Amino acid sequence: DTEVTQTPKHLVMGMTNKKSLKCEQHMGHRAMYWYKQKAKKPPELMFVYSYEKLSINESVPSRFSPECPNSSLLNLHLHALQPEDSALYLCASSQGTGARSYEQYFGPGTRLTVT
Amino acid sequence: QKEVEQNSGPLSVPEGAIASLNCTYSDRGSQSFFWYRQYSGKSPELIMSIYSNGDKEDGRFTAQLNKASQYVSLLIRDSQPSDSATYLCAVKKGGSYIPTFGRGTSLIVHP
Repeated sequence: DTEVTQTPKHLVMGMTNKKSLKCEQHMGHRAMYWYKQKAKKPPELMFVYSYEKLSINESVPSRFSPECPNSSLLNLHLHALQPEDSALYLCASSQGTGARSYEQYFGPGTRLTVT
Repeated sequence: QKEVEQNSGPLSVPEGAIASLNCTYSDRGSQSFFWYRQYSGKSPELIMSIYSNGDKEDGRFTAQLNKASQYVSLLIRDSQPSDSATYLCAVKKGGSYIPTFGRGTSLIVHP
């Protein structure tokens, strides 16, 4: 099973709203990632959690706040977003160790629209 | 020079033909190479990973890696209209544990 789930599928929020994106995997993977993807562009790395600790923050604005409550869950808290933050937000996971440690499995994504 | 380069396409092939997608990379210390397929509006799906020089086959897909020439390619045999998608190449450099994505190649398979 290589399933990563994400909720919600779609989200429309105003610039003053606070919302959260959720991601879950039950593959025992120890690395989890948040990516942002704009149309016709490759995924852009935002954050990496390794063994539940934040290991990479790609200089993401503080209006995006990640959280990893446990090894299976990853959240992305959103606050005071701008219209240019509208994009497909992707969660991914990988084993984090071993020969296949870097194979990333993506969730279906959350399509975010900021109005 | 970009770290991972792909021709953006579109690459158009007739149904039943072999589609050949290419990717070059700049870091000679790169160790792991991945191909993802992404349908429009959907998320990337891992279809192949390759770690050693040579060919790796999985069904209609063959990944080819040549570290001396710093390229990795994906061949799709007996292409089907359902193969029409963007194919993303990702490369893990030496010294990093995060793969770097190319911009992707759009493939169109026409009946």
